[in-house]
Amino acid sequence: GENVEQHPSTLSVQEGDSAVIKCTYSDSASNYFPWYKQELGKRPQLIIDIRSNVGEKKDQRIAVTLNKTAKHFSLHITETQPEDSAVYFCAASIIQGGKLIFGQGTELSVKP
Amino acid sequence: NAGVMQNPRHLVRRRGQEARLRCSPMKGHSHVYWYRQLPEEGLKFMVYLQKENIIDESGMPKERFSAEFPKEGPSILRIQQVVRGDSAAYFCASSLDGGNTEAFFGQGTRLTVV
Repeated sequence: GENVEQHPSTLSVQEGDSAVIKCTYSDSASNYFPWYKQELGKRPQLIIDIRSNVGEKKDQRIAVTLNKTAKHFSLHITETQPEDSAVYFCAASIIQGGKLIFGQGTELSVKP
Repeated sequence: NAGVMQNPRHLVRRRGQEARLRCSPMKGHSHVYWYRQLPEEGLKFMVYLQKENIIDESGMPKERFSAEFPKEGPSILRIQQVVRGDSAAYFCASSLDGGNTEAFFGQGTRLTVV
């Protein structure tokens, strides 16, 4: 069935370092790959997304890469700041507004 | 334009009681998705509804859980005879048309079964 695997489950970095989170998906029909940031007790917030016809997308300190052949995609955060500390979820969907299959989450801790 | 509204934010139920969770989508949105987040886990898809129709309920437990999205009013996720394992955060998301438009999440309802 549909499945998204996410690694690592926890990630601790020093402020200013980069953080990379990786996901693989199983459904080859997936075409839309969003990343969400969730702070404790809050709703998931979309931070960046990528569609299958694009290999890379960047928004300031955040970038996402997609390898559709290998069915994996990654989130890259550069120059990390303490306020980047949160749980990050990757997800996959056939279309943007459709049903999302989420990864298990990565708890990112940025130490000052 | 208010975002996706869920209520209540927190709900405490005793084992065996019923829980009703409400989700009002963003204005103009006719597609609603419910997700469950168990403590320290990711979000799991439960059900996808359009007005008056269940489109995909592949993530719904076979018993005790039901969902509806009537022509008028909010979408309701109903859990009958709750058990401790139902304790979780329940999020709904809405999108304009289920197509290439963003789905927005509500703040969630945190259900605690005591």
